[in-house]
Amino acid sequence: LAKTTQPISMDSYEGQEVNITCSHNNIATNDYITWYQQFPSQGPRFIIQGYKTKVTNEVASLFIPADRKSSTLSLPRVSLSDTAVYYCLVQASGTYKYIFGTGTRLKVLA
Amino acid sequence: GAGVSQSPSNKVTEKGKDVELRCDPISGHTALYWYRQSLGQGLEFLIYFQGNSAPDKSGLPSDRFSAERTGGSVSTLTIQRTQQEDSAVYLCASSLRQSVDTQYFGPGTRLTVL
Repeated sequence: LAKTTQPISMDSYEGQEVNITCSHNNIATNDYITWYQQFPSQGPRFIIQGYKTKVTNEVASLFIPADRKSSTLSLPRVSLSDTAVYYCLVQASGTYKYIFGTGTRLKVLA
Repeated sequence: GAGVSQSPSNKVTEKGKDVELRCDPISGHTALYWYRQSLGQGLEFLIYFQGNSAPDKSGLPSDRFSAERTGGSVSTLTIQRTQQEDSAVYLCASSLRQSVDTQYFGPGTRLTVL
């Protein structure tokens, strides 16, 4: 199974770019990497998904190196409302298990 | 459109009682997932349904936990003889298909076992 590891917490200031890295050393060939955002008392919400190289959407970018053993979620110019817990998810290929990372608690300061 | 809904939103029960948690997925979504989130912790995967079938039940924490899905829609997670360590938020998610499709989460059911 592709176990994932993330930093427990990060602080940032408004307007800064934030990069959160997830390690998944045992990722399988067919696995995708997905990032979710969770606010208190809510279910997680999809942010971005990728397989390799770089993916960008209106809220974030996802960088995945060639060996795919890690991925980095990049949030440009964060605001106070980006304070949340961010999870990476790697599907364990062929086992029907969904292994979320431990989550990174991002606090954005004014 | 309607998202994933879960009921009840909160459930307080006494140790040893059975509880049923319900999930209504987004209409047309064939895949359904259950997770557990203990206070301040990450998400623990419990079980996944493709249609009405759960191909792998090994994520369920013990034999006191069971889940079913009927009509390819509503799912129930049943916990028998609840224990205090079962206290957590139980989250349900659905996706259009399985594999890498985006999972849409419900608001969760907060279970407290006294």
